[in-house]
Amino acid sequence: GENVEQHPSTLSVQEGDSAVIKCTYSDSASNYFPWYKQELGKGPQLIIDIRSNVGEKKDQRIAVTLNKTAKHFSLHITETQPEDSAVYFCAASRGTSYDKVIFGPGTSLSVIP
Amino acid sequence: DAGVIQSPRHEVTEMGQEVTLRCKPISGHNSLFWYRQTMMRGLELLIYFNNNVPIDDSGMPEDRFSAKMPNASFSTLKIQPSEPRDSAVYFCASSLKNEQFFGPGTRLTVL
Repeated sequence: GENVEQHPSTLSVQEGDSAVIKCTYSDSASNYFPWYKQELGKGPQLIIDIRSNVGEKKDQRIAVTLNKTAKHFSLHITETQPEDSAVYFCAASRGTSYDKVIFGPGTSLSVIP
Repeated sequence: DAGVIQSPRHEVTEMGQEVTLRCKPISGHNSLFWYRQTMMRGLELLIYFNNNVPIDDSGMPEDRFSAKMPNASFSTLKIQPSEPRDSAVYFCASSLKNEQFFGPGTRLTVL
C-alpha cells in the first residue's frame, strides 16, 4: 500500500540555524504534498504544500522541494526560532477531495535558544 | 468560523465501556476524516467520508470501532467495547479541497 517515510525522527538545532526534514513516498500517482506542524496539545496544522507541477515553493522562512522522479520531498526551515519547536509531518496524496492523505511518522524538532 | 469542534476533549473510561467521540466539521467542508495518534503508531487514518458517505474504512482496527456521519455537520466515532490499547488521541479533520483542518482532539484513556 501507500507509504510515506520521514527522516530524521528527532532533530535539535541551535536557534538561527537551518533545519531540514526529508520524506519519501511510494505511490507514484501522488501529486500533492502537504506539510503539517503539530504543537503540543493541538491538532496538526498545514504550514505549506506543494504540487507535483513545481519543484520548489517558498513562504518566508519555509521552503519545500520536490523530486518526483526520485519520489523525494523536503522541508527547509531557515533562521529557526524557538517557536518552530514542534512535530512536523510530511504527507502525500493523489490530490482530490476523494483521496486520503498518507502521513509520515513525524519529526520532533527542538530549537535550542 | 470556530474550526473543527470535537467533544469531549478528554475521556477516561473503564475497559468494556462504550465510548462515543463527536465531531462537528467546518461548515461547507465536504470531507471528514477520523485519525488516531499514539507514540508507537503515529498518526493513523481510521476512516474518511465524502459528502457524508464512507469512502475508505480500511484503517478501522476492529469491529469494535464504528463511525457514522448522519449529516454534513456531525460525525461520531464509537468504540464498543473499549480496551486499554484504544488509549490514544483521536482527531477529526475536515476539508473542502486538499487542506485538512484538524480539531483539537479527544484524549481517550481506557483503564
